[in-house]
Amino acid sequence: NAGVTQTPKFRVLKTGQSMTLLCAQDMNHEYMYWYRQDPGMGLRLIHYSVGEGTTAKGEVPDGYNVSRLKKQNFLLGLESAAPSQTSVYFCASSYSIGVEAGPSTDTQYFGPGTRLTVL
Amino acid sequence: GENVEQHPSTLSVQEGDSAVIKCTYSDSASNYFPWYKQELGKRPQLIIDIRSNVGEKKDQRIAVTLNKTAKHFSLHITETQPEDSAVYFCAASRGNDYKLSFGAGTTVTVRA
Repeated sequence: NAGVTQTPKFRVLKTGQSMTLLCAQDMNHEYMYWYRQDPGMGLRLIHYSVGEGTTAKGEVPDGYNVSRLKKQNFLLGLESAAPSQTSVYFCASSYSIGVEAGPSTDTQYFGPGTRLTVL
Repeated sequence: GENVEQHPSTLSVQEGDSAVIKCTYSDSASNYFPWYKQELGKRPQLIIDIRSNVGEKKDQRIAVTLNKTAKHFSLHITETQPEDSAVYFCAASRGNDYKLSFGAGTTVTVRA
């Protein structure tokens, strides 16, 4: 199993350009997530999906769009890139396990990351 | 929403000593508390987690403790080694909203 993969690994954009980051997982996980990581700010959730065809906003969704047309793929789009979107982007996936207190998200497995620079 | 605070932001320890990182959370409904380790240029990876029905969990040199009343949890690393040098993140989740809220991270440096 490849686990969680991301393409591309690196990208440099000019302000105003668009691009799509692809995340793929082969673990049959229901839930998928996109995070951005900036120095001193930890991991911040951009958007997430709890199943094929569904998406939801996270903590910092502005300037990004997502789609989950297939269960194994989660795409993150930047329609008009800005320098403030320079960051490392991580995708993650997880599954739900049933526990006594109700459904609980288990371990999130992360992809290798995409380093994006917007000039 | 959930707010997770993590302290300290940096921690330098002598090889063989212990390291402790503390996190507090705001949402009393949170029931899942994982810890991730991220080495330089790598992806975050789970090292240990604890659920709200357990007060302590140990795995070899690492342990996590949870105080639900005070809403804080801690990571303990004993007999630190150079390979423990990394950034450590705590997180909290209510479980049924599928999301993790992360702390800002602690950079741990183990001095030889």
